Amino acid sequence: GQSLEQPSEVTAVEGAIVQINCTYQTSGFYGLSWYQQHDGGAPTFLSYNALDGLEEKGRFSSFLSRSDSYGYLLLQELQMKDSASYFCAGTNAGKSTFGDGTTLTVKP
Amino acid sequence: IAGITQAPTSQILAAGRRMTLRCTQDMRHNAMYWYRQDLGLGLRLIHYSNTAGTTGKGEVPDGYSVSRANTDDFPLTLASAVPSQTSVYFCASSDGKRESDTQYFGPGTRLTVL
Repeated sequence: GQSLEQPSEVTAVEGAIVQINCTYQTSGFYGLSWYQQHDGGAPTFLSYNALDGLEEKGRFSSFLSRSDSYGYLLLQELQMKDSASYFCAGTNAGKSTFGDGTTLTVKP
Repeated sequence: IAGITQAPTSQILAAGRRMTLRCTQDMRHNAMYWYRQDLGLGLRLIHYSNTAGTTGKGEVPDGYSVSRANTDDFPLTLASAVPSQTSVYFCASSDGKRESDTQYFGPGTRLTVL
């Protein structure tokens, strides 16, 4: 089965860089996805890593190391609107198992 | 294009009652999913469907059933609701052809079982 661990809360200031880590124990998992969810809203897809290394998408980047069973989401140039919950999810045959999420609070 | 719609938006239900949550997508996606999200936690997969006519069980299927009669609709039924099924329910869909396919989520249904 799959289980994913992430910190419950992270706080940072506007303009800063923050890294949200995700460690996992899994069998037969193909990749690691990241989702953003604003309070009361639906999750929205941010990124997917199938291979080791860094995937960059504008202010957001995601990293995966299969040998360490570890990934992270990097958010740069933080904006107030980035305050949200961020979930990592392990994928296997199209199905996703989610971590419990990290609540990011961006302060002025 | 609406994407994914869910109905109702919210519902208060007496324990023991039967309830069907509706989900419709207009993206012609092959795969559809039902998740529940309890307060402060991540999403847990209830049931999924890789293509019309097929369904499968996720992590927490007990007390729920689904059907996939066509590509667009994927209703979730609670045969006899219990208070532990109080949660926010999200439906999602994806193209389902590659592991990297994005899952698109509906707005959710907030269900309270008393």
